[in-house]
Amino acid sequence: ILNVEQSPQSLHVQEGDSTNFTCSFPSSNFYALHWYRWETAKSPEALFVMTLNGDEKKKGRISATLNTKEGYSYLYIKGSQPEDSATYLCAFSQAGTALIFGKGTTLSVSS
Amino acid sequence: EPEVTQTPSHQVTQMGQEVILRCVPISNHLYFYWYRQILGQKVEFLVSFYNNEISEKSEIFDDQFSVERPDGSNFTLKIRSTKLEDSAMYFCASTRGNTEAFFGQGTRLTVV
Repeated sequence: ILNVEQSPQSLHVQEGDSTNFTCSFPSSNFYALHWYRWETAKSPEALFVMTLNGDEKKKGRISATLNTKEGYSYLYIKGSQPEDSATYLCAFSQAGTALIFGKGTTLSVSS
Repeated sequence: EPEVTQTPSHQVTQMGQEVILRCVPISNHLYFYWYRQILGQKVEFLVSFYNNEISEKSEIFDDQFSVERPDGSNFTLKIRSTKLEDSAMYFCASTRGNTEAFFGQGTRLTVV
């Protein structure tokens, strides 16, 4: 059974702190790794889709890295703001399979 | 721009009643998902669906839940006998496979 693990489950930081979360996935037959941001009562929105080992993507203060050989991805948020409070989901797929989502990391940023 | 559509946006039902939540995925997508988020709690995976059958389900998705794609366009989630604890936002998502997943705006289910 393929499993995607995210850690920590939840995180509380102060405004201005930088933080990072981990997504672990099976390293065999890797195809793609996705990160989504999900705010309460809204639809999740895609942040990044990464397919190549060593990929690094950035959107504003948020960036992500990918290591397919060891099966992990990090999501970094630099200088957290209250509006960054959300659940961050990662999802993994092998070639020809559906996305398998992790349970998410819930970030709370207080001002 | 294509989008995933969910109806209704808000459903109020009495405990013990059956509800059907409807989703219209993006037309050329092949994989479909239901998630839910109870107010103040984490996002929870319910079920994934591919090729007219369930491909994965969580422990939440017990015998009270079922999904189907009755007409090739709608993707429905049925809760046979609702409980108070089923009150949540339910989100549908679809993907072509390995590409970005698109989510609907959600259905708020309130069980009274």
